[in-house]
Amino acid sequence: SQKIEQNSEALNIQEGKTATLTCNYTNYSPAYLQWYRQDPGRGPVFLLLIRENEKEKRKERLKVTFDTTLKQSLFHITASQPADSATYLCALDNFNKFYFGSGTKLNVKP
Amino acid sequence: SAVISQKPSRDICQRGTSLTIQCQVDSQVTMMFWYRQQPGQSLTLIATANQGSEATYESGFVIDKFPISRPNLTFSTLTVSNMSPEDSSIYLCSVEGDRNTDTQYFGPGTRLTVL
Repeated sequence: SQKIEQNSEALNIQEGKTATLTCNYTNYSPAYLQWYRQDPGRGPVFLLLIRENEKEKRKERLKVTFDTTLKQSLFHITASQPADSATYLCALDNFNKFYFGSGTKLNVKP
Repeated sequence: SAVISQKPSRDICQRGTSLTIQCQVDSQVTMMFWYRQQPGQSLTLIATANQGSEATYESGFVIDKFPISRPNLTFSTLTVSNMSPEDSSIYLCSVEGDRNTDTQYFGPGTRLTVL
């Protein structure tokens, strides 16, 4: 069956450090992968998309990598800030539908 | 980007009743999606709703339990029928964004509690 795995344990880091979140998948061959941010009581907000033919994508302090051989994406937040504290979800495209991982909660401590 | 609103934002319902959730978008979109997010879990796709055709349901979800309407390109409803406490969840609608960006925009969600 199709499976998308994100670390269910919260990631606690100190302000200013780089946060790295992992998304692993099996039984998919997605054309692209997305990362979303979700704050409590709100819907997910799109952050970044990376396509299967791209190794890396950057947007300001965010960086995403996509390794289709390992079936893994890494999401990095550099110079993290307390305002970055949220749950981060990865989502995979499968024929115009999106399937989400369970999300990883990030806590950035001042 | 698209701005999406949902009504109600939250509700507390009795077992055996039904609730209809509305989703309104500020622009015309072809595809709308309904998701469920149970406490502490990720989003699970319930169905895809295209205007002018029947909704397509994912495995584990059926039309009798979650009937969907899509009367025009800016509006959709999801009904949670014959509710039980297991239906307590957040229900979110989303729309596809610009095809060039392959993004999705989400509504704020409807928090449903079934007693």
